[in-house]
Amino acid sequence: DAMVIQNPRYQVTQFGKPVTLSCSQTLNHNVMYWYQQKSSQAPKLLFHYYDKDFNNEADTPDNFQSRRPNTSFCFLDIRSPGLGDAAMYLCATSYRMGNQPQHFGDGTRLSIL
Amino acid sequence: EDQVTQSPEALRLQEGESSSLNCSYTVSGLRGLFWYRQDPGKGPEFLFTLYSAGEEKEKERLKATLTKKESFLHITAPKPEDSATYLCAVQNQAGTALIFGKGTTLSVSS
Repeated sequence: DAMVIQNPRYQVTQFGKPVTLSCSQTLNHNVMYWYQQKSSQAPKLLFHYYDKDFNNEADTPDNFQSRRPNTSFCFLDIRSPGLGDAAMYLCATSYRMGNQPQHFGDGTRLSIL
Repeated sequence: EDQVTQSPEALRLQEGESSSLNCSYTVSGLRGLFWYRQDPGKGPEFLFTLYSAGEEKEKERLKATLTKKESFLHITAPKPEDSATYLCAVQNQAGTALIFGKGTTLSVSS
């Protein structure tokens, strides 16, 4: 089945220690998104790639960066995680921009010690 | 500012007891309204897209409707396996982010 796969499912890191989360997709979709979802809150978009074009949301902290080396993979890098960055990170894809449903992976739950 | 409000926050039903979840929205030019189901520890699973007022979509025991200000997710004769958090999201004319509500957590007991 075509799908969106996130690794790892659970990640524990230390305060200030860089961490990378991974997302891969077999849907061959053009757009990949990263959302942050804190406990009992709505998912919030951090950034997205349309092919190789990167688009950052205005209020995404500088601490968060992303890479998309090819169509199938996208990475979320957190340079210096703080306690407030503990959350579920969701990767999503869509075929193109605009009124297309986004298909989500099962997320990576990040804990900060 | 684009905004989505879902009510109630939590809903407990007996198996077979039909009900509706509400999603009220304000958005600068609606491109689409999306319903998702999210199980604990999992990512949102796509259910429906609605594009214009008056539109309805159905899937098994679920039916979604849309007006110019709100959407309803009607659940007919729910079963325990329908227990989940139901998320509503809108997309505006910029067509990028899904703007989510906080969700309604549905519990169906047998």
